[in-house]
Amino acid sequence: DQQVKQNSPSLSVQEGRISILNCDYTNSMFDYFLWYKKYPAEGPTFLISISSIKDKNEDGRFTVFLNKSAKHLSLHIVPSQPGDSAVYFCAASAGGETSGSRLTFGEGTQLTVNP
Amino acid sequence: DARVTQTPRHKVTEMGQEVTMRCQPILGHNTVFWYRQTMMQGLELLAYFRNRAPLDDSGMPKDRFSAEMPDATLATLKIQPSEPRDSAVYFCASGLVRKQAPTYGYTFGSGTRLTVV
Repeated sequence: DQQVKQNSPSLSVQEGRISILNCDYTNSMFDYFLWYKKYPAEGPTFLISISSIKDKNEDGRFTVFLNKSAKHLSLHIVPSQPGDSAVYFCAASAGGETSGSRLTFGEGTQLTVNP
Repeated sequence: DARVTQTPRHKVTEMGQEVTMRCQPILGHNTVFWYRQTMMQGLELLAYFRNRAPLDDSGMPKDRFSAEMPDATLATLKIQPSEPRDSAVYFCASGLVRKQAPTYGYTFGSGTRLTVV
Protein backbone atom coordinates (compact mmCIF):
# COMPACT_ATOMS: atom_id res chain seq x y z
CA ASP A 1 0.00 0.00 0.00
CA GLN A 2 1.79 3.08 -1.29
CA GLN A 3 0.74 5.88 1.04
CA VAL A 4 2.84 8.50 -0.73
CA LYS A 5 2.83 8.52 -4.51
CA GLN A 6 4.77 10.43 -7.08
CA ASN A 7 3.06 9.54 -10.32
CA SER A 8 5.63 11.05 -12.67
CA PRO A 9 8.84 9.01 -12.79
CA SER A 10 10.55 11.74 -14.79
CA LEU A 11 10.27 15.40 -15.77
CA SER A 12 12.30 17.40 -18.25
CA VAL A 13 12.35 21.22 -18.34
CA GLN A 14 14.39 23.98 -19.93
CA GLU A 15 16.82 26.03 -17.90
CA GLY A 16 15.15 29.16 -16.55
CA ARG A 17 11.66 27.69 -16.67
CA ILE A 18 9.56 26.47 -13.78
CA SER A 19 9.76 22.86 -12.61
CA ILE A 20 6.69 21.48 -10.87
CA LEU A 21 6.95 18.15 -9.08
CA ASN A 22 3.81 16.56 -7.70
CA CYS A 23 3.03 14.23 -4.83
CA ASP A 24 -0.17 12.67 -3.51
CA TYR A 25 -0.78 10.97 -0.18
CA THR A 26 -3.55 8.82 1.21
CA ASN A 27 -2.93 8.73 4.95
CA SER A 28 -4.99 11.40 6.75
CA MET A 29 -2.67 11.21 9.74
CA PHE A 30 0.22 12.74 7.79
CA ASP A 31 0.76 16.30 8.93
CA TYR A 32 4.37 17.08 8.07
CA PHE A 33 5.74 16.90 4.56
CA LEU A 34 9.26 17.13 3.18
CA TRP A 35 11.09 17.14 -0.11
CA TYR A 36 14.49 15.56 -0.54
CA LYS A 37 16.89 15.80 -3.47
CA LYS A 38 19.18 12.94 -4.42
CA TYR A 39 22.18 12.91 -6.72
CA PRO A 40 23.61 9.61 -8.04
CA ALA A 41 25.81 7.72 -5.56
CA GLU A 42 24.82 10.07 -2.74
CA GLY A 43 22.20 9.93 -0.01
CA PRO A 44 19.07 12.10 -0.15
CA THR A 45 19.50 15.62 1.16
CA PHE A 46 16.75 17.61 2.84
CA LEU A 47 15.41 20.43 0.69
CA ILE A 48 12.29 21.98 2.17
CA SER A 49 9.38 21.05 4.42
CA ILE A 50 5.87 22.17 5.28
CA SER A 51 3.61 21.62 8.24
CA SER A 52 -0.07 20.91 7.68
CA ILE A 53 -1.01 24.16 9.40
CA LYS A 54 0.39 26.00 6.37
CA ASP A 55 -0.42 25.82 2.69
CA LYS A 56 2.81 27.32 1.36
CA ASN A 57 6.44 27.48 2.35
CA GLU A 58 9.11 29.26 0.36
CA ASP A 59 12.89 29.07 0.47
CA GLY A 60 14.70 30.90 -2.28
CA ARG A 61 13.93 29.27 -5.62
CA PHE A 62 11.98 26.47 -3.94
CA THR A 63 8.33 26.65 -2.89
CA VAL A 64 6.20 23.83 -1.55
CA PHE A 65 2.42 24.02 -1.76
CA LEU A 66 0.09 21.85 0.29
CA ASN A 67 -3.57 21.18 -0.54
CA LYS A 68 -4.89 19.20 2.41
CA SER A 69 -8.37 18.66 1.03
CA ALA A 70 -6.90 17.07 -2.09
CA LYS A 71 -4.09 15.34 -0.16
CA HIS A 72 -1.68 16.80 -2.66
CA LEU A 73 1.56 18.70 -2.47
CA SER A 74 3.84 20.13 -5.07
CA LEU A 75 7.35 21.50 -5.28
CA HIS A 76 8.01 24.48 -7.54
CA ILE A 77 11.52 25.38 -8.62
CA VAL A 78 11.87 28.79 -10.24
CA PRO A 79 14.02 29.38 -12.17
CA SER A 80 15.26 25.86 -12.86
CA GLN A 81 19.00 25.36 -13.22
CA PRO A 82 21.00 22.44 -14.68
CA GLY A 83 22.38 21.74 -11.19
CA ASP A 84 18.83 20.99 -10.06
CA SER A 85 18.89 17.81 -12.15
CA ALA A 86 18.41 15.03 -9.59
CA VAL A 87 15.83 12.63 -8.21
CA TYR A 88 13.32 14.37 -5.95
CA PHE A 89 11.57 12.43 -3.21
CA CYS A 90 8.43 13.51 -1.46
CA ALA A 91 8.11 12.30 2.15
CA ALA A 92 5.46 12.50 4.86
CA SER A 93 5.18 11.84 8.56
CA ALA A 94 2.54 11.89 11.28
CA GLY A 95 2.76 13.62 14.64
CA GLY A 96 3.92 17.01 13.48
CA GLU A 97 7.29 18.52 12.76
CA THR A 98 8.62 17.96 16.28
CA SER A 99 7.69 14.31 16.69
CA GLY A 100 10.69 12.79 14.98
CA SER A 101 8.46 10.19 13.42
CA ARG A 102 9.36 7.87 10.60
CA LEU A 103 9.23 9.29 7.09
CA THR A 104 7.22 7.56 4.38
CA PHE A 105 8.69 8.26 0.96
CA GLY A 106 7.30 8.37 -2.54
CA GLU A 107 8.99 6.59 -5.42
CA GLY A 108 10.85 9.67 -6.61
CA THR A 109 10.80 11.83 -9.76
CA GLN A 110 13.88 12.26 -11.93
CA LEU A 111 14.16 15.94 -12.88
CA THR A 112 16.33 16.88 -15.83
CA VAL A 113 16.99 20.55 -16.51
CA ASN A 114 18.32 21.10 -20.00
CA PRO A 115 20.68 24.02 -20.71
CA ASP B 1 30.54 19.70 8.12
CA ALA B 2 28.84 16.93 10.11
CA ARG B 3 27.82 13.88 8.16
CA VAL B 4 26.53 10.34 8.53
CA THR B 5 29.19 7.79 7.62
CA GLN B 6 28.29 4.40 6.19
CA THR B 7 30.61 1.48 5.55
CA PRO B 8 31.23 -0.28 3.29
CA ARG B 9 30.17 1.81 0.28
CA HIS B 10 29.89 -1.30 -1.87
CA LYS B 11 29.52 -4.96 -0.99
CA VAL B 12 29.26 -7.96 -3.31
CA THR B 13 28.55 -11.24 -1.62
CA GLU B 14 27.34 -14.71 -2.42
CA MET B 15 23.89 -15.90 -1.53
CA GLY B 16 23.79 -17.37 1.96
CA GLN B 17 26.62 -15.26 3.34
CA GLU B 18 26.27 -12.90 6.27
CA VAL B 19 26.41 -9.19 5.53
CA THR B 20 26.96 -6.44 8.09
CA MET B 21 26.50 -2.77 7.25
CA ARG B 22 27.64 -0.06 9.63
CA CYS B 23 26.57 3.50 10.26
CA GLN B 24 28.11 6.27 12.31
CA PRO B 25 25.40 8.84 12.99
CA ILE B 26 26.17 12.50 13.49
CA LEU B 27 27.51 13.11 16.98
CA GLY B 28 24.69 14.19 19.26
CA HIS B 29 21.88 12.90 17.09
CA ASN B 30 19.47 10.73 19.07
CA THR B 31 17.45 9.16 16.25
CA VAL B 32 18.76 6.73 13.64
CA PHE B 33 16.93 5.23 10.68
CA TRP B 34 17.71 2.43 8.23
CA TYR B 35 16.11 2.74 4.79
CA ARG B 36 16.43 0.56 1.72
CA GLN B 37 16.14 1.84 -1.84
CA THR B 38 15.08 -0.52 -4.58
CA MET B 39 14.02 0.18 -8.13
CA MET B 40 10.46 -0.89 -7.49
CA GLN B 41 9.77 0.36 -3.96
CA GLY B 42 11.65 3.61 -3.70
CA LEU B 43 12.83 4.30 -0.15
CA GLU B 44 11.35 1.94 2.41
CA LEU B 45 11.89 2.07 6.16
CA LEU B 46 13.48 -0.99 7.72
CA ALA B 47 14.01 0.12 11.33
CA TYR B 48 14.63 3.10 13.53
CA PHE B 49 16.01 3.90 16.96
CA ARG B 50 15.57 6.70 19.47
CA ASN B 51 18.28 7.03 22.13
CA ARG B 52 19.52 3.60 20.98
CA ALA B 53 16.19 1.90 21.73
CA PRO B 54 14.36 0.32 18.77
CA LEU B 55 11.12 2.15 17.99
CA ASP B 56 9.94 0.38 14.87
CA ASP B 57 11.36 -2.52 12.92
CA SER B 58 8.14 -3.63 11.28
CA GLY B 59 9.57 -3.06 7.80
CA MET B 60 12.35 -5.55 8.34
CA PRO B 61 12.15 -9.27 7.48
CA LYS B 62 12.77 -10.59 11.00
CA ASP B 63 13.93 -14.02 9.98
CA ARG B 64 17.06 -12.73 8.30
CA PHE B 65 17.53 -9.07 9.20
CA SER B 66 18.62 -7.58 12.49
CA ALA B 67 19.40 -4.00 13.49
CA GLU B 68 21.22 -2.86 16.59
CA MET B 69 22.87 0.15 18.18
CA PRO B 70 25.69 -1.17 20.37
CA ASP B 71 26.50 2.41 21.34
CA ALA B 72 25.50 5.94 20.41
CA THR B 73 28.16 6.17 17.70
CA LEU B 74 27.39 2.95 15.85
CA ALA B 75 24.34 1.40 14.23
CA THR B 76 24.50 -1.94 12.46
CA LEU B 77 22.25 -3.74 10.01
CA LYS B 78 22.91 -7.42 9.55
CA ILE B 79 21.52 -9.86 6.99
CA GLN B 80 21.98 -13.57 7.59
CA PRO B 81 21.63 -15.42 5.29
CA SER B 82 21.64 -12.97 2.39
CA GLU B 83 19.53 -13.57 -0.72
CA PRO B 84 19.64 -12.04 -4.23
CA ARG B 85 16.40 -10.12 -3.52
CA ASP B 86 18.26 -8.22 -0.78
CA SER B 87 20.30 -6.45 -3.47
CA ALA B 88 19.62 -2.75 -2.99
CA VAL B 89 21.15 0.44 -1.62
CA TYR B 90 20.85 0.67 2.15
CA PHE B 91 20.79 4.14 3.70
CA CYS B 92 21.29 5.21 7.25
CA ALA B 93 19.94 8.57 8.41
CA SER B 94 20.16 10.40 11.70
CA GLY B 95 18.51 13.36 13.34
CA LEU B 96 18.17 15.22 16.62
CA VAL B 97 14.61 15.01 17.90
CA ARG B 98 13.67 17.36 20.73
CA LYS B 99 10.32 18.29 22.22
CA GLN B 100 8.83 21.45 20.75
CA ALA B 101 11.60 21.79 18.17
CA PRO B 102 11.18 21.03 14.46
CA THR B 103 13.44 18.33 13.10
CA TYR B 104 13.71 19.84 9.58
CA GLY B 105 14.39 16.47 8.08
CA TYR B 106 17.09 13.94 8.73
CA THR B 107 20.64 13.64 7.41
CA PHE B 108 21.33 10.65 5.21
CA GLY B 109 24.58 8.83 4.63
CA SER B 110 25.83 7.97 1.14
CA GLY B 111 24.53 4.43 1.39
CA THR B 112 25.87 0.90 1.06
CA ARG B 113 25.23 -0.68 -2.32
CA LEU B 114 24.70 -4.40 -1.70
CA THR B 115 24.77 -6.98 -4.46
CA VAL B 116 23.99 -10.59 -3.60
CA VAL B 117 24.86 -13.05 -6.36
